[in-house]
Parts: sequence; C-alpha cells; structure tokens
Amino acid sequence: GEDVEQSLFLSVREGDSSVINCTYTDSSSTYLYWYKQEPGAGLQLLTYIFSNMDMKQDQRLTVLLNKKDKHLSLRIADTQTGDSAIYFCAEKETDKLIFGTGTRLQVFP
Amino acid sequence: EAGVAQSPRYKIIEKRQSVAFWCNPISGHATLYWYQQILGQGPKLLIQFQNNGVVDDSQLPKDRFSAERLKGVDSTLKIQPAKLEDSAVYLCASSLGAGGTKTQYFGPGTRLLVL
Repeated sequence: GEDVEQSLFLSVREGDSSVINCTYTDSSSTYLYWYKQEPGAGLQLLTYIFSNMDMKQDQRLTVLLNKKDKHLSLRIADTQTGDSAIYFCAEKETDKLIFGTGTRLQVFP
Repeated sequence: EAGVAQSPRYKIIEKRQSVAFWCNPISGHATLYWYQQILGQGPKLLIQFQNNGVVDDSQLPKDRFSAERLKGVDSTLKIQPAKLEDSAVYLCASSLGAGGTKTQYFGPGTRLLVL
C-alpha cells in the first residue's frame, strides 16, 4: 500500500541543524523528493534523490536514503528563520507522487 | 518564466452549490495535475492529464468532481454539488512530461471552504 509518514512538528534554534525524517512503504519507488510549503503558497521542490543513491548534498541541504529501512531524511544546516515552513517528502510511484503528511519546522531566534 | 497560475485564490460556498477552479500551466508543459490538500495532510492526486488526455483519474470522486483540459493547455476542475468534506486547498501542478525526474511545478492553490 501507499503510505508515507512524517513526524508532525520540529522546533529548532536559528543556526542549528534541522533533521526531518520520513518513512515510505513502496520499495519500487525510483525517486524520492523533498518539497517546501510556505503559508498560502504552493509547493516548492527542494531536492530529490534517485533510489540507487545513499546521499545527496546541495548547499545547506543533505538528503540521506536508507533503502533497506525505507527511511529518508533531510538535514538543513545552519537553519534560518526563512526555513520555517512545512516540509513534505514524496515518493514517485510510476508517474504519481505520494506525499507524506508534512513536518512543520519552526525556527526560533 | 511565469509559474503555474490558478484562480480564484479563495472561494467560499454553501454545500450543494457548484464551484469551478481554473489552472494555467507553465508554457510548454504537457502534463498537468490536480491535487487536493486537506488541512493537516499532504496533497493527494485527483487527476493527471497528458496534453488533453486523462492519464490517471483513479482518485477523482467522479460522482461530483469533473475536470477537463480541452486544448491541452488550461484546465478546469469542477465540483457539483459540493460537500462539507470538500473544504481543502486545490493545487494545480505541471511538468514537461511525466517520466523520470521531470519536476512538478505547483501553483499557489485555490482555498475552498464549504459551509
């Protein structure tokens, strides 16, 4: 079945690292994505990882994939107040994106 | 490059009324998607178009929801009649194609409240 799970909230201090976790169920997913949603806005693609990779780094973002455990994480280094948003992981099943429930990241000074 | 445009941004209706949403995808994008995002949840795909043909509408409640993309560009999503549980944000997205890493670009959404 299709089920992507995330923790609901994460609160971090400005300048610290944030780690947002996600578990998925479809082992045949070829790509896994992280999207960011700010209040009143659509979803913005942050990064993605191909299923045969373990890690991908893009500036302040690091994605780790543990395919055996079907676990995906997004690390944001030096978290800023502008990073406050809801973060969604998504797995790609054929052409369809299956989204998680979203993690609300709150950054405090 | 202009992004995905949606209108209206907000809509309040009473149950059993009809409502329509409009989406203009990024120019040249063949694939268009409509998602429903209920408060506190992730988006769920309602329907996917490739040009003007339907690729996947398995999650579309066809007794009340309909969508079309007649000329393979703009699309409309209609709800008739609306129910309370249809209150959600309706997101439109587009991509160059559907396979591989082709990125889906999302519009700002239409927030629907059914009273």
